[in-house]
Amino acid sequence: DIQMTQSPSSLSASVEDRVTITCRASRSISIYLNWYQQKPGKAPKVLIYGASSLQSGVPSRFSGSGSGTDFTLTISSLQPEDFATYYCQQSYSIPWTFGQGTKVEIK
Amino acid sequence: QVQLQESGPGLVKPSETLSLTCTVSGGSISGYYWSWIRQPPGKALEWIGYIYDSGSTNYNPSLKSRVTISVDTSKNQFSLKLSSVTAADTAVYYCARGSKLRFLEYLFDYWGQGTLVTVSS
Repeated sequence: DIQMTQSPSSLSASVEDRVTITCRASRSISIYLNWYQQKPGKAPKVLIYGASSLQSGVPSRFSGSGSGTDFTLTISSLQPEDFATYYCQQSYSIPWTFGQGTKVEIK
Repeated sequence: QVQLQESGPGLVKPSETLSLTCTVSGGSISGYYWSWIRQPPGKALEWIGYIYDSGSTNYNPSLKSRVTISVDTSKNQFSLKLSSVTAADTAVYYCARGSKLRFLEYLFDYWGQGTLVTVSS
């Protein structure tokens, strides 16, 4: 299985801060990496697919980059509705696997 | 607008079989990778497996010996059976639609609201 490791596990930030979350795969997954946002009690919502493509309807302050084993999700200007947990997920090989999550909290 | 809704018992006894159904509305079941994903309380997401179109399946090897996913296209439903459950199977279970954009590029673009299944006697 491909292990996905996110860092940090949690972070505190203020509204309008720039936030960066990192995801590392245990072996190369090319660009087959998705990012999801999950709010408490809700299902995850896809933000980014293919490492850097913005899902339809997702605000442009979200962006993704990377390839191979190292990936980044950036929120350019954190908004109140962005406080949530973020997960990366690889679709390069079965079993599809998720990172352990990064919780973004209000400072 | 595609919508997914999980249904099934919220409490299952140890050693018994967990059974859930996902009803898909607002779209066809054909051409997608219909998945089950679970999340133990306070923990990360785990992909259980998918069924594609009329019946080909792929399961997480960690659960493969206990999992069966099936589809009823006439009802626009797909189902999960997980046998010999233990307390470690307690989780919120989500059904989700997997869309293939190109070779190896899949994403879960629609999800059910999730249903908590507790394994306890």
